[in-house]
Amino acid sequence: DTAVSQTPKYLVTQMGNDKSIKCEQNLGHDTMYWYKQDSKKFLKIMFSYNNKELIINETVPNRFSPKSPDKAHLNLHINSLELGDSAVYFCASSQYSGVTSQGTGELFFGEGSRLTVL
Amino acid sequence: QKEVEQNSGPLSVPEGAIASLNCTYSDRGSQSFFWYRQYSGKSPELIMSIYSNGDKEDGRFTAQLNKASQYVSLLIRDSQPSDSATYLCAVSREGYSTLTFGKGTMLLVSP
Repeated sequence: DTAVSQTPKYLVTQMGNDKSIKCEQNLGHDTMYWYKQDSKKFLKIMFSYNNKELIINETVPNRFSPKSPDKAHLNLHINSLELGDSAVYFCASSQYSGVTSQGTGELFFGEGSRLTVL
Repeated sequence: QKEVEQNSGPLSVPEGAIASLNCTYSDRGSQSFFWYRQYSGKSPELIMSIYSNGDKEDGRFTAQLNKASQYVSLLIRDSQPSDSATYLCAVSREGYSTLTFGKGTMLLVSP
């Protein structure tokens, strides 16, 4: 049973379209994340949610809208896709939110969703 | 600006050798340090975490932390071709709700 699962694994779409990626974790963690990994493999935080509340939004264009219906799910909707949005998007979860001395602890990653914008 | 710096490599070592991967970080408030391994086309997976100065050993892997020098390293003994991957250094600090990753070092272990 996969701990952090994302769907779909691959998306190929045209510029200007809208797409969504879904993520679910069954680890009972309080905190979930979206990371973007570009073609140079740099893994960069986009959003962090703790118990359905947004706690980090790292200067991501507002075409990207995360939604967390409950603490086990975090979805990412992208409007008006651009060529530069092509990347692998990773969902992750951690036991802690990072706001205490425990830090975030280990991050558990989903398998990634490879988005290609043509 | 919180930064984590790694040499992008590739670092090439022969099978059986020791691979040494290095990472420096700029934020003195960093308190938790992680090494992730990422195979091509796969997701990052945690291989080591370290929280206090000194060495931490786990099998063939040793993580070393020096907070005064803001330096963390990963040693892989008896390197195997299956260790060929990109190794990502990540740090977090109290009160900051995410990990900051370096750009990773590609390791190539030749048979």
